[in-house]
Amino acid sequence: EAQVTQNPRYLITVTGKKLTVTCSQNMNHEYMSWYRQDPGLGLRQIYYSMNVEATDKGDVPEGYKVSRKEKRNFPLILESPSPNQTSLYFCATGRGGYTGELFFGEGSRLTVL
Amino acid sequence: KNEVEQSPQNLTAQEGEFITINCSYSVGISALHWLQQHPGGGIVSLFMLSSGKKKHGRLIATINIQEKHSSLHITASHPRDSAVYICAVIPQGAQKLVFGQGTRLTINP
Repeated sequence: EAQVTQNPRYLITVTGKKLTVTCSQNMNHEYMSWYRQDPGLGLRQIYYSMNVEATDKGDVPEGYKVSRKEKRNFPLILESPSPNQTSLYFCATGRGGYTGELFFGEGSRLTVL
Repeated sequence: KNEVEQSPQNLTAQEGEFITINCSYSVGISALHWLQQHPGGGIVSLFMLSSGKKKHGRLIATINIQEKHSSLHITASHPRDSAVYICAVIPQGAQKLVFGQGTRLTINP
């Protein structure tokens, strides 16, 4: 079964405490990306990766890092989280980049106090 | 002004009604996605369009590239269709998705 798995699904943390949200896919897709969803702002792209060791910034990359050391995993790292990073985060993957079917993870709800 | 505008923002209808959700965009695009987000948050890809029309079950999506407009239609709507429907475009030459604000659809029994 095609799966995009995000962990954790829910997290409450405090300002400055480093955290990583993992994303793993079992479809051997080259393209992976991270989005955040905020009320009134909709979905916005944070980072994307077109293949292993190839990452690039999206529209709102500040405060985030990513890495793509292997095809299946694309972790999102918050080195020093701040309250404005409180959001719902989605990982997505696709075969032909954006021009093929997209598969989304279940979402990770992060609260930074 | 957002690059991608959806209308209406909210739509409530009775079971069985024909539903239309519209998406207009202001930039040249290479393709457009329609996504569905149920309460609880999960996002599902419904269609990817670069021209013409696609149909899957009771859902139909159309796109007019020249007019920069796409529509999502739901025939014989059902309460399980209640969700937020999101339009997203891929601007030409860009490696990103630009999302509309979403349309919240509620179908009453």
